[in-house]
Amino acid sequence: DAGVIQSPRHEVTEMGQEVTLRCKPISGHNSLFWYRQTMMRGLELLIYFNNNVPIDDSGMPEDRFSAKMPNASFSTLKIQPSEPRDSAVYFCASSFKRGGSYNEQFFGPGTRLTVL
Amino acid sequence: QKEVEQNSGPLSVPEGAIASLNCTYSDRVSQSFFWYRQYSGKSPELIMSIYSNGDKEDGRFTAQLNKASQYVSLLIRDSQPSDSATYLCAVKWQAGTALIFGKGTTLSVSS
Repeated sequence: DAGVIQSPRHEVTEMGQEVTLRCKPISGHNSLFWYRQTMMRGLELLIYFNNNVPIDDSGMPEDRFSAKMPNASFSTLKIQPSEPRDSAVYFCASSFKRGGSYNEQFFGPGTRLTVL
Repeated sequence: QKEVEQNSGPLSVPEGAIASLNCTYSDRVSQSFFWYRQYSGKSPELIMSIYSNGDKEDGRFTAQLNKASQYVSLLIRDSQPSDSATYLCAVKWQAGTALIFGKGTTLSVSS
């Protein structure tokens, strides 16, 4: 079975450019999570969706960040304009929410973003 | 603000020893607790979950939870060099919410 798919795996861009990260969750999962990982701050939750609806975006650092989930099989995280401090590994994870609880989260391979 | 605290390490143990990883959390009403393993350059993978006080064993891994002390630990018996990784503690505060992760403890097992 295919796991969570993320693209691109690596992205190098210049400050001010728009960056779009993509995620395909595991088929049948109804919840999707975007995380950012840095050495200094660890693994931070940015936003999560349940049934394609954003539930909590309080972790989104600022208005430069936006996320969408137009359907159950695709989500994007966009940074516009990008800044060097956005350099990090961005992970997407998915799980199946049954009742009030989320089951195990499966992580994608991550996108390593470098903003010069 | 809800927090999950871990000693960053590195924790160094010889092969065959028991490795003990600890985690504390700030919110007494937390419901679910998870341990993830992350190899360098890879994504986190779930190794243990625990929901009630006491011990839960799975192979060489034992998770221990003490809600009164707001403390969860992971014991790895017969540590192997392949266990060398960063171990992330994650806490879910209540049903329907996402996980909050600690910054992780780096474990190094020497042969």
